[in-house]
Amino acid sequence: QSVLTQPPSASGTPGQRVTISCSGSSSNIGSTTVNWYQQFPGTAPKLLIYNNNQRPSGVPDRFSGSKSGTSASLAISGLQSEDEADYYCAAWDDSLNGPVFGGGTKLTVL
Amino acid sequence: QVQLVQSGAEVKKPGASVKVSCKASGYTVTNYGISWVRQAPGQGLEWMGWISGYNGNTNYAQKFQGRVTMTTDTSTSTTYMELRSLRSDDTALYYCAREVAATGSSWFDPWGQGTLVTVSS
Repeated sequence: QSVLTQPPSASGTPGQRVTISCSGSSSNIGSTTVNWYQQFPGTAPKLLIYNNNQRPSGVPDRFSGSKSGTSASLAISGLQSEDEADYYCAAWDDSLNGPVFGGGTKLTVL
Repeated sequence: QVQLVQSGAEVKKPGASVKVSCKASGYTVTNYGISWVRQAPGQGLEWMGWISGYNGNTNYAQKFQGRVTMTTDTSTSTTYMELRSLRSDDTALYYCAREVAATGSSWFDPWGQGTLVTVSS
């Protein structure tokens, strides 16, 4: 049971816009910033979004993040087949004194 | 470029210990901490703990306290994670990740390639 809640799956067709939600509480998302990681099968996670909405160098601007209250969202516009991966949200948790992750969302491009 | 390279796969018997290494390159290791995150087969990510590259201070997740030890050797830019009293449910991919910290926030970038630890009798 993950501290942050994500839908287990999401899907979309090429070119579409999809969003993945991440729900937490006042001890994590509500009091700090959210990061997102992308993981392809058989590879290590990669930083996708940090500080709620910042993209590391090299991440396409099709990916965007937002946060409101105790929830956050990752949006992918102009969906491409190569976006098919698992996506994890993460945030520091004051009660647990460490970072916590969502359970991950498997994105399928139909 | 900034890179973390981990040691190879391990197979251990229940009750044994495992020590995984993570060698950093491309940055000043004393300026960043390293976290360890594990991923059981088909499961999500679980943070295990963190060690400061500056002074070796540690912060372990409560679940692993008493069973995990993280150390760092700044002379070789290598961080180690030792997990003791292994059980079958410790079978997982273990990742190290550099923690980048800013005022009021932090994130993991980059990650090592992962080390598979299999616990089986």
